[in-house]
Amino acid sequence: GIQVEQSPPDLILQEGANSTLRCNFSDSVNNLQWFHQNPWGQLINLFYIPSGTKQNGRLSATTVATERYSLLYISSSQTTDSGVYFCAVSYWDDKIIFGKGTRLHILP
Amino acid sequence: NAGVTQTPKFRVLKTGQSMTLLCAQDMNHEYMYWYRQDPGMGLRLIHYSVGEGTTAKGEVPDGYNVSRLKKQNFLLGLESAAPSQTSVYFCASTLGGGIDTQYFGPGTRLTVL
Repeated sequence: GIQVEQSPPDLILQEGANSTLRCNFSDSVNNLQWFHQNPWGQLINLFYIPSGTKQNGRLSATTVATERYSLLYISSSQTTDSGVYFCAVSYWDDKIIFGKGTRLHILP
Repeated sequence: NAGVTQTPKFRVLKTGQSMTLLCAQDMNHEYMYWYRQDPGMGLRLIHYSVGEGTTAKGEVPDGYNVSRLKKQNFLLGLESAAPSQTSVYFCASTLGGGIDTQYFGPGTRLTVL
């Protein structure tokens, strides 16, 4: 079946550090999204990025569809960046499948 | 504009009881999705709908039924709840399916005793 793998599973950083989160997927995709789940459980869409690179403030994302991976970069981390980061991929049948996430802890 | 809403926010059931979770969206989106989230498992797709009157199975459909009688509503039913269905349930919607941004509701925390 469809495989979406995220790494690392957990990451602890000091405030101000940079981080790179990775998402690997097993098949060609129509779309890839990155989400942030805050400590209160709310899921917020960060990027819609089937290919190429996008930036939004301190966050940026790159998807290399031909090599089946995507990277999420967080620069100058803040404590409000803490939470779980998910990537989600979609295929021809409109299913949207999530990885297990990367739990990020930013220490003050 | 409320976006995606879910009712109820919390619920406790006894094994064997039934219940229905309601998801509503006011963005005129065609596609709607139900997920469950368990510790360490990410979000797993239960069922989804590509338009009014349609439903399709996701990754973990067993023990659940769904209906999409109106475009703005997507109902998730548990006919005979089991402790293994204790989870947080999220509903989401998109305008154009997998090629569009997905918007999530706040979640429903369900405990089955």
